[in-house]
Amino acid sequence: KNEVEQSPQNLTAQEGEFITINCSYSVGISALHWLQQHPGGGIVSLFMLSSGKKKHGRLIATINIQEKHSSLHITASHPRDSAVYICAVGYYGGSQGNLIFGKGTKLSVKP
Amino acid sequence: DVKVTQSSRYLVKRTGEKVFLECVQDMDHENMFWYRQDPGLGLRLIYFSYDVKMKEKGDIPEGYSVSREKKERFSLILESASTNQTSMYLCASSPILGGRQPQHFGDGTRLSIL
Repeated sequence: KNEVEQSPQNLTAQEGEFITINCSYSVGISALHWLQQHPGGGIVSLFMLSSGKKKHGRLIATINIQEKHSSLHITASHPRDSAVYICAVGYYGGSQGNLIFGKGTKLSVKP
Repeated sequence: DVKVTQSSRYLVKRTGEKVFLECVQDMDHENMFWYRQDPGLGLRLIYFSYDVKMKEKGDIPEGYSVSREKKERFSLILESASTNQTSMYLCASSPILGGRQPQHFGDGTRLSIL
């Protein structure tokens, strides 16, 4: 069974700080996804990656396939970044459908 | 932009009632999914559908059924609601299985069973 572990579970930061959220998984994958969920809201996809690094604004996602590890970085954090960040990995087949989700990292950025 | 619309944001029902949660997507995606989300447990797959009238069980199908009569609509049915089905329910759609494309999520339905 493919497990997805995220750390930390909770993170409090001051505005302007550099933030890193980590994700590790146990078997081969088709792609890794980073998702964002604001309080009371739906989930939006931030990144999908299968190698290397992607950047969108102040967000950067990296993946190391050999080490089965990914990180999500937020530069110059802002209170509007406060949300739950979820790592999910894609794979083929199985009763779990095609995405396995981590339990999420709750980020709170204080002004 | 892909739009996934869930019929209700908040819903309160009684134990034993039959409950219908509706989801509609407007991007002609083959695949649709129902998840529930609980604190500390993350997202768990209830059922998914890869075509009209086709469905597959996820991790936690007990107490639920689904219906997909039209490509754009995927319904989740709680046959006889129980208090342990109080949760946030999220619908999603995707053009390809296997996680090779992002899933697009609705805003969720927060369901309370009293």
